[in-house]
Amino acid sequence: AQKVTQAQTEISVVEKEDVTLDCVYETRDTTYYLFWYKQPPSGELVFLIRRNSFDEQNEISGRYSWNFQKSTSSFNFTITASQVVDSAVYFCALSGSSASKIIFGSGTRLSIRP
Amino acid sequence: DAEITQSPRHKITETGRQVTLACHQTWNHNNMFWYRQDLGHGLRLIHYSYGVHDTNKGEVSDGYSVSRSNTEDLPLTLESAASSQTSVYFCASSAGQITYEQYFGPGTRLTVT
Repeated sequence: AQKVTQAQTEISVVEKEDVTLDCVYETRDTTYYLFWYKQPPSGELVFLIRRNSFDEQNEISGRYSWNFQKSTSSFNFTITASQVVDSAVYFCALSGSSASKIIFGSGTRLSIRP
Repeated sequence: DAEITQSPRHKITETGRQVTLACHQTWNHNNMFWYRQDLGHGLRLIHYSYGVHDTNKGEVSDGYSVSRSNTEDLPLTLESAASSQTSVYFCASSAGQITYEQYFGPGTRLTVT
C-alpha cells in the first residue's frame, strides 16, 4: 500500500530562518512520482515540484530546495531565508506507475512570523 | 489566460438532496480530477477522467458520480447528500495522467445539514 507521512503538523519560525518540511513515503512500486503542493490562506493549491523515482538529484528553485533520498524514502522540502509570504499549508504527494492513484500527506502548516 | 473554475464556491444543502458541483477548465486538458479535503486527511481522490466519456473511481468514490461529455467540464454529483460529505471539494486538471502536475480550482465548500 502507498502512504505519505508528514509528521510535522505545524511549524512556526521567524522570518529569514531556514525551515525544512519532512515527507516520508511508502510504496512497492519501482517507478513512482513525488510532488509538493502549496496551499496559501486563499485556499487554492499550487504545484511546486514533481520528481520521478529515477531522478535523485536535488533540486533548487530560488529559495526552495528539495532533497530526495530513496535510501530513507524521504522527499524533504527546505525554504531558505523564509518570508511571510511562505506561510501556507504544504502537501507532499505520491503517485505510482499505475496512473490510477495519488496519495497526499496530511499537510504541514507553516507560519512565518515577521 | 487558461484557468479552472468551480461553482458554486459555497453551498449548503440538506441531507438526502442531490447536489452537483461544477468544474470547468480552459486549459484544454484531457485529464480532470475531483478531490475532497478534510482536516487531518489531506486531499483524497474521488473520481477522475482521462478523456471524454472516460470516468474512473478514486479512493473515496462511494456516494459520488461524475460524467464527462466534453473536454472542458467534469461535474461532480452527490446522489443523496450525507453529513459525512461536508467538506471542501477541489477540481483539478492536468496535461498528463495522475502522475503529472495538476492545476487546481479554487474549491467549493459544501455543508450538508
